[in-house]
Amino acid sequence: AQSVTQLGSHVSVSEGALVLLRCNYSSSVPPYLFWYVQYPNQGLQLLLKYTTGATLVKGINGFEAEFKKSETSFHLTKPSAHMSDAAEYFCAVRGRTSGSRLTFGEGTQLTVNP
Amino acid sequence: EAGVTQFPSHSVIEKGQTVTLRCDPISGHDNLYWYRRVMGKEIKFLLHFVKESKQDESGMPNNRFLAERTGGTYSTLKVQPAELEDSGVYFCASSQTGGASPLHFGNGTRLTVT
Repeated sequence: AQSVTQLGSHVSVSEGALVLLRCNYSSSVPPYLFWYVQYPNQGLQLLLKYTTGATLVKGINGFEAEFKKSETSFHLTKPSAHMSDAAEYFCAVRGRTSGSRLTFGEGTQLTVNP
Repeated sequence: EAGVTQFPSHSVIEKGQTVTLRCDPISGHDNLYWYRRVMGKEIKFLLHFVKESKQDESGMPNNRFLAERTGGTYSTLKVQPAELEDSGVYFCASSQTGGASPLHFGNGTRLTVT
């Protein structure tokens, strides 16, 4: 079974600063990895995903994440935070076997200060 | 393309009443999922349909919850009778076949049981 740990339920950064949201997973084999974002009063929106190939994946809105197998991590970064990035971010994993479910971390609320 | 649609967006009911949530997936998506987020906690899997069949319903909390997907199109999730601990946001998602296919989420139904 897979599990996901997001370090820090709340992260606060200044506008223009680096955003780093941490995600570690536990799985017997490298799973599929996803980051979702939830803006206030909206549903979950896919930011990016890692399935195979290049370990640095780019997503929407300037976000990117790097899959590091040795560290079982998939941290999300953005070089320069914007006020509009304030939202809740979820890391999720899914096994590569048929029928595997998507398992979420507990979420990280990102606050961007002016 | 139209996204995943959920109805209603909000529902407030009294303990002991019945509520039915509806989800319309993206056209052509055979996979349909229900998830729930209780306040302050992680998003948890409830069940997974492949077309009209229940692939995995191991996340359903108890027999007060009944999900259907007649004809393999839209799905309903009925809670009868509702209890206070059923309050939360219920998300529906759909996806194409394949573990690497991302889930597309609706905006959720916020259920409040008083």
